[in-house]
Amino acid sequence: DVKVTQSSRYLVKRTGEKVFLECVQDMDHENMFWYRQDPGLGLRLIYFSYDVKMKEKGDIPEGYSVSREKKERFSLILESASTNQTSMYLCASSFIGPRPLHFGNGTRLTVT
Amino acid sequence: KNEVEQSPQNLTAQEGEFITINCSYSVGISALHWLQQHPGGGIVSLFMLSSGKKKHGRLIATINIQEKHSSLHITASHPRDSAVYICAVPSGGGADGLTFGKGTHLIIQP
Repeated sequence: DVKVTQSSRYLVKRTGEKVFLECVQDMDHENMFWYRQDPGLGLRLIYFSYDVKMKEKGDIPEGYSVSREKKERFSLILESASTNQTSMYLCASSFIGPRPLHFGNGTRLTVT
Repeated sequence: KNEVEQSPQNLTAQEGEFITINCSYSVGISALHWLQQHPGGGIVSLFMLSSGKKKHGRLIATINIQEKHSSLHITASHPRDSAVYICAVPSGGGADGLTFGKGTHLIIQP
């Protein structure tokens, strides 16, 4: 079974802090994605990566950056957390092409 | 960029009822995904289909490529089917990103 593991289930941070969200997958997937999910807006793509050190902006990259130094690990970085980044963050991975997505359990981030 | 519309947004039904959730998209696609999200957050991939029909237990997904429309059906619905059901299609940007519908919040009452 594919496993996508997100490092934290719940996180509370203060405005202005630098925040790291980690995601690890164990199926050698090329693609990895970071989404945020907000009520009424659904899932929105922040960044994705199709290979080590490669990254592409999604629909809402402002205020975020990512890092993919190893194939199995994709990190989302909030450079200076703000209250409007309070959200559920979901990591996903897949093989290249039209293949099923596998999601982590999500990190609920609250910025106060 | 592909646009996705799901209906209904909310659906409450009695146990045993036949459930239909609809998804329409704007740009031709290679495959469409149906996902399920239970309270607590975890999202599970139910189906990925590019034509015709797929069945898994009491869940059936159909797609009409010409009409750019897909449906998810649940037969003999049960309270454990209560979840948010999400449709997703390729964004159309040349990579493998998906555009998601806003989801259908389904509640099955005993």
